Amino acid sequence: AQSVTQLGSHVSVSEGALVLLRCNYSSSVPPYLFWYVQYPNQGLQLLLKYTSAATLVKGINGFEAEFKKSETSFHLTKPSAHMSDAAEYFCAVTSGSSGGYQKVTFGTGTKLQVIP
Amino acid sequence: DGGITQSPKYLFRKEGQNVTLSCEQNLNHDAMYWYRQDPGQGLRLIYYSQIVNDFQKGDIAEGYSVSREKKESFPLTVTSAQKNPTAFYLCASSIRTPNYGYTFGSGTRLTVV
Repeated sequence: AQSVTQLGSHVSVSEGALVLLRCNYSSSVPPYLFWYVQYPNQGLQLLLKYTSAATLVKGINGFEAEFKKSETSFHLTKPSAHMSDAAEYFCAVTSGSSGGYQKVTFGTGTKLQVIP
Repeated sequence: DGGITQSPKYLFRKEGQNVTLSCEQNLNHDAMYWYRQDPGQGLRLIYYSQIVNDFQKGDIAEGYSVSREKKESFPLTVTSAQKNPTAFYLCASSIRTPNYGYTFGSGTRLTVV
């Protein structure tokens, strides 16, 4: 079984401040981990993914995430928030196995507000 | 440009009606998926298809049906058996498995009137 917990359904930051969105997972097998972003009334867009290579993963729009196995975490960060970063962010986990269907579990999302 | 096209963007359904949501992709992806999104609940899988002419139920398949007659197309029918169909519906595709990451369409918002 696998699960994803996103701490904080709403996060507010000032423009130019650090963005930190938290994601903790549980998985009985080595996971693949993802962050997606969703703008209002749009589909989700893949920001970045961890697939057991480098633990620090860089994505689009200046975001990055670090896989910490000991903490079962995959937090998303960006050094300086921009107004255009205001959106909802979803963390997701799959089993990472190569055979059969890999179930994807999504977190419930974190809405990021950027204050000018 | 390659991508996934969902139509219509907004759809209104009367009680007792069946409605069909369209999903077309030109990414040459093998696998396609339908998710339902409700506020505060994340995404829940309705159906998925890994190859043409084959599909599997997801976590909340009751009241929904799909077909996969072509690689590019994966339409979703919301039947009258679905008691609470008002939601945002997202279609996604992946190269073979979700481990590669999803490409999503822009969604269809279905409202019961």
